Amino acid sequence: DAGVTQSPTHLIKTRGQQVTLRCSPKSGHDTVSWYQQALGQGPQFIFQYYEEEERQRGNFPDRFSGHQFPNYSSELNVNALLLGDSALYLCASSLEAAYGYTFGSGTRLTVV
Amino acid sequence: GQSLEQPSEVTAVEGAIVQINCTYQTSGFYGLSWYQQHDGGAPTFLSYNALDGLEETGRFSSFLSRSDSYGYLLLQELQMKDSASYFCAVRDRMDSNYQLIWGAGTKLIIKP
Repeated sequence: DAGVTQSPTHLIKTRGQQVTLRCSPKSGHDTVSWYQQALGQGPQFIFQYYEEEERQRGNFPDRFSGHQFPNYSSELNVNALLLGDSALYLCASSLEAAYGYTFGSGTRLTVV
Repeated sequence: GQSLEQPSEVTAVEGAIVQINCTYQTSGFYGLSWYQQHDGGAPTFLSYNALDGLEETGRFSSFLSRSDSYGYLLLQELQMKDSASYFCAVRDRMDSNYQLIWGAGTKLIIKP
């Protein structure tokens, strides 16, 4: 049973560019949450998707957007990249209202 | 505001017992979770406490006191592989949706 799969694992982008990160949730999970984790910090909640809709959003600018597909997979898009967007981006899946999240290994984004 | 406080770093000896504390201040509370994250890896779910008391899972135990807005993770018979960062996270609810609010993490250093 595959867990949460994220791609790519590493990515280097230039300031001002746009990036798309992908996530396939654990089999049977219907809810996907995205987090940004800076080095030495805890994960910061970006947003959560359920039934192809953004249900909840953290304190992130509109440059961060996402999408959930009918098969529950999800994408995170970041436009107009800034140096400060360099971080580990984690995707977590769960069943709606469940308390246990399963995380992917993340995408390490470096903006230069 | 919402905040979780946990020590930034704890050092212990292999075979010993260590306790990692977490105090929280959140607008709502539905439970306290603990996650383990090895360097470069994904957070993995350890435990969840919704009610006061101690929950034991093998060498790991987690405690919650809702009246004190306090919890802790207890690790017994420490092994070198337990060297990792440990995060507490409060399950809160905004509108009709659950979210996790994370602490900054405690780096556990284990010495032989």
